[in-house]
Amino acid sequence: ETGVTQTPRHLVMGMTNKKSLKCEQHLGHNAMYWYKQSAKKPLELMFVYSLEERVENNSVPSRFSPECPNSSHLFLHLHTLQPEDSALYLCASSQDEGTGAAEAFFGQGTRLTVV
Amino acid sequence: GQNIDQPTEMTATEGAIVQINCTYQTSGFNGLFWYQQHAGEAPTFLSYNVLDGLEEKGRFSSFLSRSKGYSYLLLKELQMKDSASYLCAVRDSNYQLIWGAGTKLIIKP
Repeated sequence: ETGVTQTPRHLVMGMTNKKSLKCEQHLGHNAMYWYKQSAKKPLELMFVYSLEERVENNSVPSRFSPECPNSSHLFLHLHTLQPEDSALYLCASSQDEGTGAAEAFFGQGTRLTVV
Repeated sequence: GQNIDQPTEMTATEGAIVQINCTYQTSGFNGLFWYQQHAGEAPTFLSYNVLDGLEEKGRFSSFLSRSKGYSYLLLKELQMKDSASYLCAVRDSNYQLIWGAGTKLIIKP
């Protein structure tokens, strides 16, 4: 298995549920990211981890809680979400946190629907 | 504020050439990226420009003018599989990526 893998691919959850999104990268990168992608809107950076430490939190509501247990794995824990949180959640990784020409490699995303 | 502008949607014909423009206003500049995203799939890296000029990579080329805050992605000999969204992103002075909303390219036979 290569690249960046996200599970699940699709998730439907109620507003009172608790669920987690998982991301795994097999590229040996040391930075990982969570993005939110809504229709016809720019990608929104949510969280950045570099060497397993969080370095960026772009004013994301506390109902989203990231976890990075090691440099290969990243989780996004979800609880008491709102319908407007329905979107595609993308995980990405890169070698070094954004310096130089290091491009980000993306997973295929989790399509989240909050009902 | 920081802003990336690109057309929402473009249509082109198979075999033709299309140019997708991107203009940006950011706090500093540390490179510009183009990504391709097919529906339901991950964005994939296409090109990176940090100096002015044209970077060519097969059927795809990307141009940058830092003084004008402008880039374009040029796709030649269009194929049906090129139907996708094309995302422009600029790395600002804090090395944070600022993304455009993407251009949906529709290829017609």
